[in-house]
Amino acid sequence: DAMVIQNPRYQVTQFGKPVTLSCSQTLNHNVMYWYQQKSSQAPKLLFHYYDKDFNNEADTPDNFQSRRPNTSFCFLDIRSPGLGDAAMYLCATSRGGDQPQHFGDGTRLSIL
Amino acid sequence: QKEVEQNSGPLSVPEGAIASLNCTYSDRGSQSFFWYRQYSGKSPELIMFIYSNGDKEDGRFTAQLNKASQYVSLLIRDSQPSDSATYLCAAGGGADGLTFGKGTHLIIQP
Repeated sequence: DAMVIQNPRYQVTQFGKPVTLSCSQTLNHNVMYWYQQKSSQAPKLLFHYYDKDFNNEADTPDNFQSRRPNTSFCFLDIRSPGLGDAAMYLCATSRGGDQPQHFGDGTRLSIL
Repeated sequence: QKEVEQNSGPLSVPEGAIASLNCTYSDRGSQSFFWYRQYSGKSPELIMFIYSNGDKEDGRFTAQLNKASQYVSLLIRDSQPSDSATYLCAAGGGADGLTFGKGTHLIIQP
């Protein structure tokens, strides 16, 4: 089945230690998104790629970076994680801005 | 700033009854509207999407859109205990991602 796959499902890192989360898709969608979701809150868009064009939300901290080396893969890098970065990180894909977004299972990040 | 508002609930509905979930959105430029179901600790799952005013039905689910009132709703007929979850309303328009509401926690009572 075509899908969006996130790895790992659970990630534990130390305060200030860089961490990378990965997302891959077999849907061949143009757009890939990264969201952060904290408990009982709405998913918050961090950034998205439309093909190779990178779009950063204005309030996304500089601590967060992203890479999309090809159509299928997208990475979220957190350079120096703080306690406030503990959350579920969701990757989603779509064919375009108004099209439905399809989510991966998410990566739950814990900071020690 | 774009906002999507939902009543956080919990909304408690007896099994077999109709569950009615509502949301409003602030951006009149929004063109697409989505309902996602999210079980605790899981990722959002697309349930319905709607682009035009009126109703759209898919099985037990009906999405309703009123752009003049900036209002979107989701009806779930014959509610089942497995429908118990948080339902996220989202609005989109253009190349950017979706703006999500905080979700309504729905409880179906057996």
